[in-house]
Amino acid sequence: AQSVTQPDIHITVSEGASLELRCNYSYGATPYLFWYVQSPGQGLQLLLKYFSGDTLVQGIKGFEAEFKRSQSSFNLRKPSVHWSDAAEYFCAVGGNTNAGKSTFGDGTTLTVKP
Amino acid sequence: SQTIHQWPATLVQPVGSPLSLECTVEGTSNPNLYWYRQAAGRGLQLLFYSVGIGQISSEVPQNLSASRPQDRQFILSSKKLLLSDSGFYLCAWSVRGFSGSTDTQYFGPGTRLTVL
Repeated sequence: AQSVTQPDIHITVSEGASLELRCNYSYGATPYLFWYVQSPGQGLQLLLKYFSGDTLVQGIKGFEAEFKRSQSSFNLRKPSVHWSDAAEYFCAVGGNTNAGKSTFGDGTTLTVKP
Repeated sequence: SQTIHQWPATLVQPVGSPLSLECTVEGTSNPNLYWYRQAAGRGLQLLFYSVGIGQISSEVPQNLSASRPQDRQFILSSKKLLLSDSGFYLCAWSVRGFSGSTDTQYFGPGTRLTVL
């Protein structure tokens, strides 16, 4: 069965500092990996996704993520956090024969200090 | 462009009352459709998904049901709500992949349901 673990429930960083959100997955085949962001009371929005090719993927809002097969990880990074990045972040995994389904992690809440 | 609508945005219902939440998608055809529930401070739990009209798969046993009467309409229902049905309900759609592959999901704004 596939699963996603986001080890950090809550992270606080200062504005302008760098950010890394961790994601570990379990999937029996080649994974499709996603990061989504959710602002309070809103739906989720895709930040970036990895299907194949270059293991470092760029997304919107200055985010990037690196797929490391050997570590079963897909960590999200941003070099300089802005106050508007405060939100909840979800990692998700799917695959090429998955009836279109994704499995989501429990999320990491990001707080940005001024 | 594609858009996804959910209504109502918020709902307060007494225990034992019925429920109907609606989700519609515009600007695409033959989408995969999904219902998720998000409990306070928790991740997303997939409740139902659908790959076509009248085709519903349930992911977890529960007090809820789903229907897809039209290609771009997805309805979540209950005959009698429980306290544990409270939460934030999200509808999502994705392009139906050639081999059933996973792709980006596009989420609606959600419905906040409180059962008292």
